[in-house]
Amino acid sequence: SQTIHQWPATLVQPVGSPLSLECTVEGTSNPNLYWYRQAAGRGLQLLFYSVGIGQISSEVPQNLSASRPQDRQFILSSKKLLLSDSGFYLCAWEGTGNTIYFGEGSWLTVV
Amino acid sequence: GESVGLHLPTLSVQEGDNSIINCAYSNSASDYFIWYKQESGKGPQFIIDIRSNMDKRQGQRVTVLLNKTVKHLSLQIAATQPGDSAVYFCAEARTDKLIFGTGTRLQVFP
Repeated sequence: SQTIHQWPATLVQPVGSPLSLECTVEGTSNPNLYWYRQAAGRGLQLLFYSVGIGQISSEVPQNLSASRPQDRQFILSSKKLLLSDSGFYLCAWEGTGNTIYFGEGSWLTVV
Repeated sequence: GESVGLHLPTLSVQEGDNSIINCAYSNSASDYFIWYKQESGKGPQFIIDIRSNMDKRQGQRVTVLLNKTVKHLSLQIAATQPGDSAVYFCAEARTDKLIFGTGTRLQVFP
């Protein structure tokens, strides 16, 4: 069966510090991968999606970047965090029929 | 612009009653819709989906209804239980992306 893991689950980072959130998928090959952000009390916003290694599409201009160094690995990064980067970040992969399956999420608080 | 949104931000129901969560969409070309359940501090979980060639689809205690004429989607939960308390999102599939609504919080009280 397919599984998705993302880490860390929680982190508190100072403004201006770098960020790296990692996500890996198991049990499938060449999946479409996604990073979403959910601000408190808000809906899910698509940040990046990838249809293959090294292929990244950005949905919104922002302080974040994404990379896909391996088929089942998706990384969300920032060189210098802003207060507005705080939120709940979700990695996801796409199964059959366009269904999206999510990881457990990473809580980021920028202080 | 086109969007997917939810009519009610919070829905409170008594345990045992049926719940109905509504969603409106504006892209008439969309042909696939999904409902997700998100419990506090966790990632969204797939509940049920429906394609535009269907009006109704049933799962275990859940039913999704699609009205393409008025571009409306609803999720019905039968015999609502405390474990159903969560935020529910509808989502619309557009090419390689999934567009989510804001979410409706379902609160179940005894």
